[in-house]
Amino acid sequence: ETGVTQTPRHLVMGMTNKKSLKCEQHLGHNAMYWYKQSAKKPLELMFVYSLEERVENNSVPSRFSPECPNSSHLFLHLHTLQPEDSALYLCASSQEPPFRGTGVSDEQFFGPGTRLTVL
Amino acid sequence: AQSVAQPEDQVNVAEGNPLTVKCTYSVSGNPYLFWYVQYPNRGLQFLLKYITGDNLVKGSYGFEAEFNKSQTSFHLKKPSALVSDSALYFCAVRDQGRGYQKVTFGIGTKLQVIP
Repeated sequence: ETGVTQTPRHLVMGMTNKKSLKCEQHLGHNAMYWYKQSAKKPLELMFVYSLEERVENNSVPSRFSPECPNSSHLFLHLHTLQPEDSALYLCASSQEPPFRGTGVSDEQFFGPGTRLTVL
Repeated sequence: AQSVAQPEDQVNVAEGNPLTVKCTYSVSGNPYLFWYVQYPNRGLQFLLKYITGDNLVKGSYGFEAEFNKSQTSFHLKKPSALVSDSALYFCAVRDQGRGYQKVTFGIGTKLQVIP
């Protein structure tokens, strides 16, 4: 395993529901990421947190709301989603914050993902 | 704009034969380049990366990749394919510039190793 856990692994929700995805990294890393993976599309970066500060919000609709209470935990709060939001949501972490620019330790470690279905 | 192209949706290779998964990239400056692998129902797993120096990078599970600056390519290779190598492979690029630099992933190439 990669040291990054995600819960739940599967989630089915209606368009009016509110739910949250949880990610936890046990690697002592300084940066955490949310990605959306849809079939036949490139991996879509959603949010990046570095040392608990958000450094990227990649034009993500406001129905997705991230939270990073500490460097080990990352949440994605979901409300009033659309069917097209159905996808695999991946969390990742890296030791080096993405702005440091040395490239020495910025490879990302991914969790297994949460398969989200919006009805 | 920064981009990654993986021109093949799927690559089929016989077990024991050499394999190549292609990747070309575009960045404004010098690149950091990565390969990741995704097995079914799993997240992505880091394989190898190019930062600087030797153009041939060796990674996990016997994989290697060759950086070619003139062709802006970073093809993934393995001398002898295993059935267990069957998976989805992603190339990614990041600019080496200062400050925050976003990582861009390709669309992925499905590798099928035939017994």
